[in-house]
Amino acid sequence: EIVLTQSPAILSLSPGDRATLSCRASQSVSNYLAWYQQRPGQAPRLLIYNASNRATGIPARFSGSGSGTDFTLTISSLEPEDFAVYYCQQRSNWLTFGGGTKVEIK
Amino acid sequence: QVQLQESGPGLVRPSETLSLTCTVSGDSLGSYFWSWIRQSPGKGLEWIGYVYDSDITNYNPSLKSRVTMSGDPSKNQVSLSLTSVTAADTAIYYCARGYCSGGSCYAGFVDYWGQGTLVSVSS
Repeated sequence: EIVLTQSPAILSLSPGDRATLSCRASQSVSNYLAWYQQRPGQAPRLLIYNASNRATGIPARFSGSGSGTDFTLTISSLEPEDFAVYYCQQRSNWLTFGGGTKVEIK
Repeated sequence: QVQLQESGPGLVRPSETLSLTCTVSGDSLGSYFWSWIRQSPGKGLEWIGYVYDSDITNYNPSLKSRVTMSGDPSKNQVSLSLTSVTAADTAIYYCARGYCSGGSCYAGFVDYWGQGTLVSVSS
């Protein structure tokens, strides 16, 4: 099983700040990686697929990069609604999720 | 607007079978991949499996011996059955649709999700 490790566990930032979230895979997943956002009480929402492609309707402030084992989700300028938990997920070998990064208001 | 709604018992006894249904509105089952994913405080998000074309399935290897999924186009529903449940199966269960873009549909990325249904396993 491919293990995805996300860091940091918690990111404390202010609205308008730039957020950089990391996801590391235990073995190469090529570019078969997605990022999801989950707000309290809601289901996750697909933000990025194939490492760097924004899903339909996702604002341009969200961007993804990386390939192989190291990936990054960047939120260029945090909006109030962006404070949430973010998960990475791979589809290279079965389908697994990382443990999440919580982006909280500083 | 595509909507997914999970339904089923909120409480299941240990060793019994968990059965859930996902009713899809706003689109047909069509050629999409339909997944079941669960979330618990202890295990986080866990992909249970997916069904395609009503009866083509792929299950999580760790759950494969206990899982059955199917689709019913006439009812626009997808179903999940998980046998021999234990407390470790207590979770919020989501159904979700595989993401399609630019003529490609992905089993492993999902965009539309149901609201989720909490299933507790307890005697």
